[in-house]
Amino acid sequence: GENVEQHPSTLSVQEGDSAVIKCTYSDSASNYFPWYKQELGKRPQLIIDIRSNVGEKKDQRIAVTLNKTAKHFSLHITETQPEDSAVYFCAAAFSGGTSYGKLTFGQGTILTVHP
Amino acid sequence: SAVISQKPSRDICQRGTSLTIQCQVDSQVTMMFWYRQQPGQSLTLIATANQGSEATYESGFVIDKFPISRPNLTFSTLTVSNMSPEDSSIYLCSVLVRGITGELFFGEGSRLTVL
Repeated sequence: GENVEQHPSTLSVQEGDSAVIKCTYSDSASNYFPWYKQELGKRPQLIIDIRSNVGEKKDQRIAVTLNKTAKHFSLHITETQPEDSAVYFCAAAFSGGTSYGKLTFGQGTILTVHP
Repeated sequence: SAVISQKPSRDICQRGTSLTIQCQVDSQVTMMFWYRQQPGQSLTLIATANQGSEATYESGFVIDKFPISRPNLTFSTLTVSNMSPEDSSIYLCSVLVRGITGELFFGEGSRLTVL
């Protein structure tokens, strides 16, 4: 089955700095890579995703890059703000046929943005 | 997106008892899933709730311990049977909304503490 490794486990930055979280996956068949943000006591919320036919995707201050050859993908947050503080999870899945929604999650990164 | 309601939001249970968690969605969804998030950990898929048929369980999870029902396209239940302290977790219902390929939305979760 799929295995997703996420690094770092904790990340502390100053407000305005950039933050980068990296994930690697094992199953070359995986083609869908979402990122979720989970604030304390809240549900995970999808913040951005990328599919294997795209190398990079950007949404305002958030971007995700994918290297299929190396089987790794990364989340980039620029101009960080204190409200970006949360746990971030990467995930991977083969999205097709009847295999939608069966995500394998990374271990999570606790991001702390200091004012 | 979809509005996903879970009940109970939290409960404290005694060892050896069973608890049923309900998940109600405000629209018909193609696929529903149950995830578990142990304290301070990542999310792990328990099973796919199949409408009108038996759930499909992931490795490490069995029907006797986690019976699941899905009588229609908007509702599912997960029962945690014969609970032990190791079952203390957040259980999350998640759905794929029809027409939105691959994007998984989560309910608020049900936080169970087993004494």
